Amino acid sequence: GAVVSQHPSWVICKSGTSVKIECRSLDFQATTMFWYRQFPKQSLMLMATSNEGSKATYEQGVEKDKFLINHASLTLSTLTVTSAHPEDSSFYICSARAQVLSYEQYFGPGTRLTVT
Amino acid sequence: SQQGEEDPQALSIQEGENATMNCSYKTSINNLQWYRQNSGRGLVHLILIRSNEREKHSGRLRVTLDTSKKSSSLLITASRAADTASYFCATDTGFQKLVFGTGTRLLVSP
Repeated sequence: GAVVSQHPSWVICKSGTSVKIECRSLDFQATTMFWYRQFPKQSLMLMATSNEGSKATYEQGVEKDKFLINHASLTLSTLTVTSAHPEDSSFYICSARAQVLSYEQYFGPGTRLTVT
Repeated sequence: SQQGEEDPQALSIQEGENATMNCSYKTSINNLQWYRQNSGRGLVHLILIRSNEREKHSGRLRVTLDTSKKSSSLLITASRAADTASYFCATDTGFQKLVFGTGTRLLVSP
């Protein structure tokens, strides 16, 4: 149980276009989802926290107009990278927490974004 | 921001040897978790230790936590080539989010 999927697993797009990444909890309802970014050989940096039905909370330095997060249901959150640039190329990972008081987060397999 | 620093940054050992990784953090925590990441993949949760616990075991894994020193260690005993991965500690400060350490890249050679 507790499986989180991401789609697509990799995507290549041109500068200036927008890309949407989906994060789904397959066998549980996720009250909270998290989006992370990871550069090669570096750690995960939290970008934002989203609770179902409310606006996402962004970490300092993360542009909310550039990284649009929608958490419309208890099983789906989306991250849209708008007007992508090469410096947005990265590995994006989502995670989901089943209950507000639960310690555990379940991570998706990640999405590799390359902007050319 | 990054809460934890891990050392060593990289560790290379032979199969059968033990691997020890250390994590230091800065603020009070509810719990500390260890994760494994294979190259280019997502994270796998290994073990969680609560702030009131000092040691925890899971299979070949042993985790210690010293809240007075704000540090934790992960010991993998009898390592295998399949243990080759990056290992991250992550702290839960009680604000619903995890803050990850810098990671240790472990290479286990056959």
